Amino acid sequence: QVQLVQSGAELKNPGASVKVSCKASGYIFTSYALNWVRQAPGQGLEWMGWIDTNTGNPMYAQGFTGQFVFSLDTSVTTTYLQISSLKAEDTAVYYCARGNYYFDSWGQGTLVTVSS
Amino acid sequence: DIVMTQSPDSLTVSLGERATINCKSSQTILYSSNNKNYLAWYQQKPGQPPKLLIYWASTRESGVPDRFSGSGSGTDFTLTISSLQSEDVAVYYCQQYYGTPRTFGRGTKLEIK
Repeated sequence: QVQLVQSGAELKNPGASVKVSCKASGYIFTSYALNWVRQAPGQGLEWMGWIDTNTGNPMYAQGFTGQFVFSLDTSVTTTYLQISSLKAEDTAVYYCARGNYYFDSWGQGTLVTVSS
Repeated sequence: DIVMTQSPDSLTVSLGERATINCKSSQTILYSSNNKNYLAWYQQKPGQPPKLLIYWASTRESGVPDRFSGSGSGTDFTLTISSLQSEDVAVYYCQQYYGTPRTFGRGTKLEIK
């Protein structure tokens, strides 16, 4: 069955970086884009962008450029989200989700907490 | 960007009654060449990731109970739960995939009366 398994929760100081992983299994990895979605505490869903699993090309939504980097390792069917220069307002659950259009499978989410 | 506006923000319905959630897009999300509406609905329970319920505005995802249905076209869409069950308590989101960025509605919180 299709599964997306994300890395565990992170607690980081302001100014630090974090790298979240999302390992896909149960399907042909290169058949679907992988998306990242942010959910701040008590808030709704915000699409951050996606990565083309064929080419490795990322697309970032406005507001998620510069500080956020999507990458890929097809040999281990894993995509990564790296966030640099962390601020308190980056505290959120970050989800990966499969899909070129709608998102039919989601990771369990990774809580990133930024606090000194 | 396509703005998705959901209503109401919250909804309280009795068990066994009908629940209706609305979603309006700021521009059409009906692609004329294939006559498909590029709209999905998700259910999110506390502490869980969202779950896909409906795509192409009215196609139920495999395993989703048939009390969930989607309708609408163009800019106006509806998610209906025909007979509310206790396990349906959740926040529901619509999402358009007609253009990028993909955008979600702000969510509708559904509770039991």
